[in-house]
Amino acid sequence: QSVLTQPPSASGTPGQRVTISCSGSNSNIGSNTVNWYQQLPGTAPKLLVYSNNQRPSGVPDRFSASNSGTSASLAISGLQSEDEADYYCAAWDDSLNGHVFGTGTKVTVL
Amino acid sequence: DVQLLESGGGLVQPGGSLRLSCAASGFTFNNYAMNWVRQAPGKGLEWVSGISGSGGTTYYADSMKGRCTISRDNSRSTLYLQVNSLRAEDTAIYYCAKTYNSYWDYFDYWGQGTLLTVSS
Repeated sequence: QSVLTQPPSASGTPGQRVTISCSGSNSNIGSNTVNWYQQLPGTAPKLLVYSNNQRPSGVPDRFSASNSGTSASLAISGLQSEDEADYYCAAWDDSLNGHVFGTGTKVTVL
Repeated sequence: DVQLLESGGGLVQPGGSLRLSCAASGFTFNNYAMNWVRQAPGKGLEWVSGISGSGGTTYYADSMKGRCTISRDNSRSTLYLQVNSLRAEDTAIYYCAKTYNSYWDYFDYWGQGTLLTVSS
């Protein structure tokens, strides 16, 4: 089962701001950097944010992330229809000695 | 451009075995740790296993420990996952993912996945 907890869904109208939370523990988010992946329908996951708050080349600055203690969050500003996707947080877990993913959040643009 | 191409998926009976492959190109393969991540139908992502660039260190999720073996052939730029004693709950798309650098790093490139179905 997933070690990182996310809300199952989030939604907003075009242009709105949506925030997704990711709750972990001292052995993962509390000790290591958090990464976020976007999975568009029917496609493979794609790196969206790495090292807590860095965006790979090509990712719009509408996507931002932060973390504090054992929690992290991803914000999507100026929501667009193409942002409809599943979003996953992830981190290395020192206790499990492996990568852990969040439960995933489905973002719907109303 | 980095490319990861998985193969080897298919329909397998419960209790059977299968070897998945991931052919990599566009980067110096032996410099990077590699991983397998799976996704059951309609479910979330689950990390399965990882291996260092040299192949000397491997990591496994508890759910797969003892039933799978990750390996790599750096001369062929290919990653493998041998899965044994397959169960219905192993049915999933298996993705190959390149790590940015070391084993704990993020996955900067993903393949398109190969579907493994375990059913009688």
